[in-house]
Amino acid sequence: AQSVTQLGSHVSVSEGALVLLRCNYSSSVPPYLFWYVQYPNQGLQLLLKYTTGATLVKGINGFEAEFKKSETSFHLTKPSAHMSDAAEYFCAVSEIAGSARQLTFGSGTQLTVLP
Amino acid sequence: NAGVTQTPKFRILKIGQSMTLQCTQDMNHNYMYWYRQDPGMGLKLIYYSVGAGITDKGEVPNGYNVSRSTTEDFPLRLELAAPSQTSVYFCASSWEGITEAFFGQGTRLTVV
Repeated sequence: AQSVTQLGSHVSVSEGALVLLRCNYSSSVPPYLFWYVQYPNQGLQLLLKYTTGATLVKGINGFEAEFKKSETSFHLTKPSAHMSDAAEYFCAVSEIAGSARQLTFGSGTQLTVLP
Repeated sequence: NAGVTQTPKFRILKIGQSMTLQCTQDMNHNYMYWYRQDPGMGLKLIYYSVGAGITDKGEVPNGYNVSRSTTEDFPLRLELAAPSQTSVYFCASSWEGITEAFFGQGTRLTVV
């Protein structure tokens, strides 16, 4: 069984500061990895994904994440936070479970951006 | 292109009532999912389907039922609503389960 751990349920950064949201997964094989963002009262929107190939992936709105197999991590970063980045962020892994792939989510990290 | 559409957006149920949450997608995706989202708990998979006529349980299936008679539709049925089913429900779809999932806007359900 796979699990996804997001360290820090709440993260606050100042506008213009580095954003770092942490995600670790447990899996016996390299999974497919995703970061989603959820704005208030909305559904989830894909930020970026890792399937195969380059371990540093770039997504929308200036976010990027690096897949580190040795650390089983997929941390999300953005060099300079903007007020519009305030939202909840979810890390997810897709792995074969039973007869099909399932998408398992972490518990989420609420990002607050301070002026 | 509408994507994933969920109805209703909001609903209040009394304990013991039943209802169906509707979900339809127009992307011809074979995988469809139902999740519930509770504060601080992330999203928990209720049921999923890999194609028409095929459904399977996820992590938290008790109290729910699903059907998948067409590729487009994946309704979620609550037979005897309980306060523990108060949550926000999201439907999602994806292609082959390996690409990103596309989410609906959610249904906020309150059971009183």
